[in-house]
Amino acid sequence: KAGVTQTPRYLIKTRGQQVTLSCSPISGHRSVSWYQQTPGQGLQFLFEYFSETQRNKGNFPGRFSGRQFSNSRSEMNVSTLELGDSALYLCASSAGLASYEQYFGPGTRLTVT
Amino acid sequence: TQLLEQSPQFLSIQEGENLTVYCNSSSVFSSLQWYRQEPGEGPVLLVTVVTGGEVKKLKRLTFQFGDARKDSSLHITAAQPGDTGLYLCAGAATPGNTPLVFGKGTRLSVIA
Repeated sequence: KAGVTQTPRYLIKTRGQQVTLSCSPISGHRSVSWYQQTPGQGLQFLFEYFSETQRNKGNFPGRFSGRQFSNSRSEMNVSTLELGDSALYLCASSAGLASYEQYFGPGTRLTVT
Repeated sequence: TQLLEQSPQFLSIQEGENLTVYCNSSSVFSSLQWYRQEPGEGPVLLVTVVTGGEVKKLKRLTFQFGDARKDSSLHITAAQPGDTGLYLCAGAATPGNTPLVFGKGTRLSVIA
């Protein structure tokens, strides 16, 4: 099976801009979670989608949003970028509601200048 | 808020040495997972433990889940440079209800 893919791998944006990141889960996986990883805070949960519905949301401001499509692909959007949004954004897929085993993509490295 | 504390934060050892890293919490988890992350990549799942007292072995890696399901350890025997990476533990609090809680990781460097 192909793994989780994320695009783009690297992105440089300016403060105030917005960005959209994309994630394609493993075929057959219906759950997609997004995480922000920084050296100081580690992996922080952003949100989880299952069958196009947001199931859980982490403690991030409303500038961070996401969605999931009927083919399970997911996108996350960050509006009005701030310098502190510079991070590695990781997407992970899992088989379903009862499965906690996460399969991660390589991440998108976002740099905000 | 459930937290997972990992120790040590950093570990630098010589090839061939043994090491243990720890993952502790005051909360009970229904299952716990260990991941390894290499630079520029996403974390890769190594193992899931679900039963208190459970021990799992993966070649030179031994994982243990505490009896009370509040802590876990990862022991590496005869470490190799290929073991270098960030080791993350993650706990599932309630099946199907809440997202995984991740520790901040132990960064291991194995020097040849």
